[in-house]
Amino acid sequence: GAVVSQHPSWVICKSGTSVKIECRSLDFQATTMFWYRQFPKQSLMLMATSNEGSKATYEQGVEKDKFLINHASLTLSTLTVTSAHPEDSSFYICSTTGQGAANSPLHFGNGTRLTVT
Amino acid sequence: DAKTTQPNSMESNEEEPVHLPCNHSTISGTDYIHWYRQLPSQGPEYVIHGLTSNVNNRMASLAIAEDRKSSTLILHRATLRDAAVYYCILRGRMGNTPLVFGKGTRLSVIA
Repeated sequence: GAVVSQHPSWVICKSGTSVKIECRSLDFQATTMFWYRQFPKQSLMLMATSNEGSKATYEQGVEKDKFLINHASLTLSTLTVTSAHPEDSSFYICSTTGQGAANSPLHFGNGTRLTVT
Repeated sequence: DAKTTQPNSMESNEEEPVHLPCNHSTISGTDYIHWYRQLPSQGPEYVIHGLTSNVNNRMASLAIAEDRKSSTLILHRATLRDAAVYYCILRGRMGNTPLVFGKGTRLSVIA
């Protein structure tokens, strides 16, 4: 069964509104969560790394004030796309290493398809 | 991160074995070779990983060249559900590091 639950699986919103995406780890504590986005026909691009109880680290070119990440607990991380615009339409995916053991496989959520109209 | 090179696409007949190659000539001694796959409209899922020895699990086998500069993911009998993008990724031994995805190989399975 899924070890990472991501919600919602898809969302359509109007330009200028905000959207929150939740990522929950099931049966384990996720001290670190990675957020990716994927545009059509492209590969996954890392957006940010969040650690429980501290500020997220954003990749170059990703606006931290636009993509708000909260990782307040060991089982929940959220990504909020603020003032969404059509160019933010993408497939957003979270992942975690689970127990955080060195070189353990990553577990991924099933993704959230965001469409901004 | 050390880079990997994979063919853009491959095609297989159903019930046939599939060998997906990956070149990683700049691999370091502590890099593990990971394989993930992404089915349409889903997040990636872990397939297999290894360091030096060949590995087998219920999903696939991983054959690693003796010099570790290349590897091959083997699906023993392709099914239509195996149609996906397969990513070969090198990952160091440090924990809690993200995966860096390349373009992967898009596998098509023909009935």
